[in-house]
Amino acid sequence: GIQVEQSPPDLILQEGANSTLRCNFSDSVNNLQWFHQNPWGQLINLFYIPSGTKQNGRLSATTVATERYSLLYISSSQTTDSGVYFCAVEPFGTDKLIFGTGTRLQVFP
Amino acid sequence: DAMVIQNPRYQVTQFGKPVTLSCSQTLNHNVMYWYQQKSSQAPKLLFHYYDKDFNNEADTPDNFQSRRPNTSFCFLDIRSPGLGDAAMYLCATRVGGTQPQHFGDGTRLSIL
Repeated sequence: GIQVEQSPPDLILQEGANSTLRCNFSDSVNNLQWFHQNPWGQLINLFYIPSGTKQNGRLSATTVATERYSLLYISSSQTTDSGVYFCAVEPFGTDKLIFGTGTRLQVFP
Repeated sequence: DAMVIQNPRYQVTQFGKPVTLSCSQTLNHNVMYWYQQKSSQAPKLLFHYYDKDFNNEADTPDNFQSRRPNTSFCFLDIRSPGLGDAAMYLCATRVGGTQPQHFGDGTRLSIL
């Protein structure tokens, strides 16, 4: 089955810093989503981005489908950005998401 | 307003005592999913419904069952919970086709 790897596994930042999270996947996909899981366990949909670039406030994402990777950029990080960031991909011909290994982000004041 | 609603947020049950988790949606989406997320792991799909068609993952234990009586509701039944079933259970919906999945807030299940 498809493999989804995220890097780095852990990231510690001071408030105000910028960061880039990476998601690599081993096969072509129909869909890719980025999620933020907050400390209370809620999984929040950040981007639906099977290809191209999107921006939402301090966050932006780019997926290069032909090269099988996606990047999530966080600028001017805040303590509320802390949590785990997951990318999830949907292989062609399925209706299901396969989650990556996650990046745990801690932002300190 | 929440569009995918899971109740309760926290559930405690005893070892071996059946438990049911519920999920409802106001989105009228065709597809509903149940995921299990154990501590420090990624969510893992248990099964999903496309309308009334049930799709079970190959490695989902027989102990886990699901019901979808209508478009709006979906239930996860754990017939005889073991200590290893303690986890966050996440419900998600999707309209179908190339659209994103929308997740509820989850139910955190503890087994005594």
